[in-house]
Amino acid sequence: AQSVTQLGSHVSVSEGALVLLRCNYSSSVPPYLFWYVQYPNQGLQLLLKYTSAATLVKGINGFEAEFKKSETSFHLTKPSAHMSDAAEYFCAVSEPFNQAGTALIFGKGTTLSVSS
Amino acid sequence: DGGITQSPKYLFRKEGQNVTLSCEQNLNHDAMYWYRQDPGQGLRLIYYSQIVNDFQKGDIAEGYSVSREKKESFPLTVTSAQKNPTAFYLCASLDSHLATNEKLFFGSGTQLSVL
Repeated sequence: AQSVTQLGSHVSVSEGALVLLRCNYSSSVPPYLFWYVQYPNQGLQLLLKYTSAATLVKGINGFEAEFKKSETSFHLTKPSAHMSDAAEYFCAVSEPFNQAGTALIFGKGTTLSVSS
Repeated sequence: DGGITQSPKYLFRKEGQNVTLSCEQNLNHDAMYWYRQDPGQGLRLIYYSQIVNDFQKGDIAEGYSVSREKKESFPLTVTSAQKNPTAFYLCASLDSHLATNEKLFFGSGTQLSVL
């Protein structure tokens, strides 16, 4: 069965500092991996996704993530945090093809706080 | 503009009452999903539907029911059997024909609270 583990339910950084949000996955087949961002009282917005092409994936708002099969990881990074990055971030995994019964499996989320 | 509309944004339920959350999409997507979000627990799948007139239970279906009579609509009913319904509910849809471009589109959510 697939699963996602996000290490750290809360991450705090200073404005301008590196952002690193950790995600490890478990999957019996090569996975598709996603990062979503959620602002308060809103739905989820896709930041980026890995679908077996380049292992370094660039997303919106300056975020990027690297798929490392040997480490079963898909950590999200941003070189310089901005106040507007404060939100909750979710890592998710799915099987490569949308087989019957497949849905995205989400991690428990990491809340990012950015201080000035 | 295409998208997913959830209504209402806020909903209150009395003890023993059934309430229905609306989810409508005009993206022509086949698959639709209902997730429940609780603080610190991420998103958990309640029900999903791959095609019209068919739906499957997710991880936490007890106390909920759904219908999929039209492609555009996937309403969720929170029944009186759901003893802890207070949560943020998110509806999503996906074009299941685009297997290599898998992307869930989310609605803006409904916050359900118990009076």
